[in-house]
Amino acid sequence: DIVMTQSPDSLAVSLGERATINCKSSLSVFHSPNSKNYLAWYQQKPGQAPKLLIYWASTRESGVPDRFSGSGSGTDFTLTISSLQAEDVAVYYCQQYIDFHHITFGPGTTVDIK
Amino acid sequence: QLQLQESGPGLVKPSETLSLTCSVSSGSISSDSYFWGWIRQPPGKGLEWIGSIYYSGTTYYNPSLKSRVTISVDTSKNQFSLKLTSVTAADTAVYYCTRQWEQYQFPRLSDCWGQGTLVTVSS
Repeated sequence: DIVMTQSPDSLAVSLGERATINCKSSLSVFHSPNSKNYLAWYQQKPGQAPKLLIYWASTRESGVPDRFSGSGSGTDFTLTISSLQAEDVAVYYCQQYIDFHHITFGPGTTVDIK
Repeated sequence: QLQLQESGPGLVKPSETLSLTCSVSSGSISSDSYFWGWIRQPPGKGLEWIGSIYYSGTTYYNPSLKSRVTISVDTSKNQFSLKLTSVTAADTAVYYCTRQWEQYQFPRLSDCWGQGTLVTVSS
């Protein structure tokens, strides 16, 4: 199984400031034949279902603001919110989907306003 | 726009079987581009993939739940279902049905989610 970890567990950022969340996989999620990282990021606001933000580690889903960006490769990944808005308060999860026998999520990172 | 809606009992007794159905609207469950999956979230905790099914009936299950899980599909009703047997309090969670990308004939990420339904296991 691929174990996903995230850091920090939570962070508080001032409005307009940058928020950075890290995600690490226990095994590489890079697939050489297509040169893609099988890593997604989701946003879950209180009382709502998760929403897909980013896939292939760095591709924004349609409609996702460009202040959200993903980076990284192999086992280390980052989600960055370049200028935090009030509506970005949420829990953020990373997910690996290279191991289709056991798709796994990170434990989540809570983002709040300082 | 695709919509997913979970339905089923909100309360299940320990040792009994949890049964949920996901109704898909504004899209066909028989699309060859997608799998259909279940993901759960215990109160205040993280997300756990339960399993996925293709319209043909091909299934993939979380190894930790495989012995208790069955996912089925009814293409005529545009629905898929989850059965989880021998439930305990640890199975109390919000259960989400999702649409998952298909790639190389395997399930991948979830790009569309139902609103979720809370199932409580209690006598």
